[in-house]
Order: sequence, then structure tokens, then C-alpha cells
Amino acid sequence: ETGVTQTPRHLVMGMTNKKSLKCEQHLGHNAMYWYKQSAKKPLELMFVYNFKEQTENNSVPSRFSPECPNSSHLFLHLHTLQPEDSALYLCASSQVYKSEQFFGPGTRLTVL
Amino acid sequence: AQSVTQLDSQVPVFEEAPVELRCNYSSSVSVYLFWYVQYPNQGLQLLLKYLSGSTLVKGINGFEAEFNKSQTSFHLRKPSVHISDTAEYFCAVSAHYTQGGSEKLVFGKGTKLTVNP
Repeated sequence: ETGVTQTPRHLVMGMTNKKSLKCEQHLGHNAMYWYKQSAKKPLELMFVYNFKEQTENNSVPSRFSPECPNSSHLFLHLHTLQPEDSALYLCASSQVYKSEQFFGPGTRLTVL
Repeated sequence: AQSVTQLDSQVPVFEEAPVELRCNYSSSVSVYLFWYVQYPNQGLQLLLKYLSGSTLVKGINGFEAEFNKSQTSFHLRKPSVHISDTAEYFCAVSAHYTQGGSEKLVFGKGTKLTVNP
């Protein structure tokens, strides 16, 4: 595997389900990010992790719970989501102190 | 805080025609500027970036952009487009360092480029 990978690529869940999104980067980076991309809205930064420590939570509802066990892996745990949470969730990574971010292919989430 | 305005949400052009996708930014501090491309069902891929130095930046796939500080613009251009350039293009700005050192990218809403035969 190369670059940034995300699984699953597609996810359909009910409002009462609990699921997790996984991101893995194979680039040796030490910063990781979660973004939400909704139709007709700008890309929204959700969380930032530097060296496994969360450095930014952009007022994200608590039904989204991130986890970064090491610099290569990032998870987004989902529970009791709302239909408006349906979106493409993108993971990205970078070197700390470097501007260029590398993106994964995203997980298309549909909440019924 | 930084902000980005992409003036055109959709740009249709014919194959082999030139194209310019417009981007203006707002910031009270020095910035880095980026253009990313998103093909259908894919993540974002970096086209080019301005960090410092020459204001004319060349990127992949024949794209280039010019940083104009006085007009706070970073327009993307290609002299002759191909069908395969059909995608959504995002302009992004980042301030020099945030807490912890990582860059916080702020994205525009995107411009959908459609290249017609």
C-alpha cells in the first residue's frame, strides 16, 4: 500500500448504529487530519493530530470521536449520527511544519 | 483568519481551449497557497503550491498559477485543456504555522471544470 488509504470506501448506517472509519498513511508523516466534504459546502476541517496528540477539534459534535493510536493510523468512531452527517469523509496526512497535505480517497457515508 | 473565494462554481470549456479558474484569498498574515484537484470518487491531489520565491508556479498536468499579492489572487491556468481535466478544483490557503506547527488549510468551495469535446 502506498500513500493514504481509507476503509471502508462506502458505508451505510442507521442512526442508532456504531461504526468506525479507518485511515492509514504509509508516508512517514506525523500529522493527520479528518475532513468532512458535503455537497455544496466547503471542505470542513474536523480534527488535527500532531505526533498522536489532538491539537484541533473544530467544534465537532461528540457523536464523532477520533482516535489516533500512532502516527500512521487515524480512526473516526461514529455513533447516533444524523442524516445531515451524510458526506464524504477525507483523511489527510502531512509532516508537521510542512504545508502540503496528502489525501486519502475518502469514505462515502450515508446515514439513513 | 484566512478565507478563500472561488468566484466560479462551474466552468464549461471546449477541449483544447485555454482555461482560467479564479481564486482570491483574505489573510492578515503571510500565507501559503495551493490548488488541489478532485476527480470523481477520489480524494484531493495536489496540483501546485506557492510557498515563496517566483510568483509563477508550475504544477502537474500542464497547470500553472500566479501569485498576485496586491490583488490577493492565485488564479489557475492551463493553455489547452483535455477531456481528462474534467474534475473539481479547490484553492486553499494556509497561514504560516498554527499550534503545534502543522498547517491549517482553508479551502474554497471548489470550481467544477467540465471539458467538452
